[in-house]
Amino acid sequence: SQTIHQWPATLVQPVGSPLSLECTVEGTSNPNLYWYRQAAGRGLQLLFYSVGIGQISSEVPQNLSASRPQDRQFILSSKKLLLSDSGFYLCAWDAGQRNEQYFGPGTRLTVT
Amino acid sequence: AQSVSQHNHHVILSEAASLELGCNYSYGGTVNLFWYVQYPGQHLQLLLKYFSGDPLVKGIKGFEAEFIKSKFSFNLRKPSVQWSDTAEYFCAVNPDSNYQLIWGAGTKLIIKP
Repeated sequence: SQTIHQWPATLVQPVGSPLSLECTVEGTSNPNLYWYRQAAGRGLQLLFYSVGIGQISSEVPQNLSASRPQDRQFILSSKKLLLSDSGFYLCAWDAGQRNEQYFGPGTRLTVT
Repeated sequence: AQSVSQHNHHVILSEAASLELGCNYSYGGTVNLFWYVQYPGQHLQLLLKYFSGDPLVKGIKGFEAEFIKSKFSFNLRKPSVQWSDTAEYFCAVNPDSNYQLIWGAGTKLIIKP
């Protein structure tokens, strides 16, 4: 069966520090991968998605970037964190069939 | 712009009450429709989905949803809620099978024992 992992689960970082959040999927190949930010009372905001290695589409211009160095690995990064980057970040995947997406446990990021 | 509206941000019910959570979307073409649930401390998980066919779809844990195309709605229902249904519920719409899911803001459901 397929599983999706995210780490770390929680992270506290100072303003201006770099960020790297990692997501990996097991049990499937060539998944579509997604990064979302979930804000209370505002649903999920799609940040990036990827349909293959090295292919990244950005939905929201901001301080973050994403990379997909391997088929089942998706990384969310920042060179310098802002206070506004605080939030709950979710990784998701789907098999490309009608977008039935499966979510990881999320990372709670607090920028201080 | 495409959007999804969930009418109630917070709903409080007693056990055994009936539940209906509203979801409306703004898109005139073909859509795939989803309800996801996030129980306290757990992952977002799929509750039910509609792609085509019978507009009344059944999901896990006794939930069902009805797609009414003329009303652009996909309301979630459960005849008798339990305390364990306390969670946040999200409606999501996939227009024309592109890569985006458009999400509603979510409804926090609290069931009083």
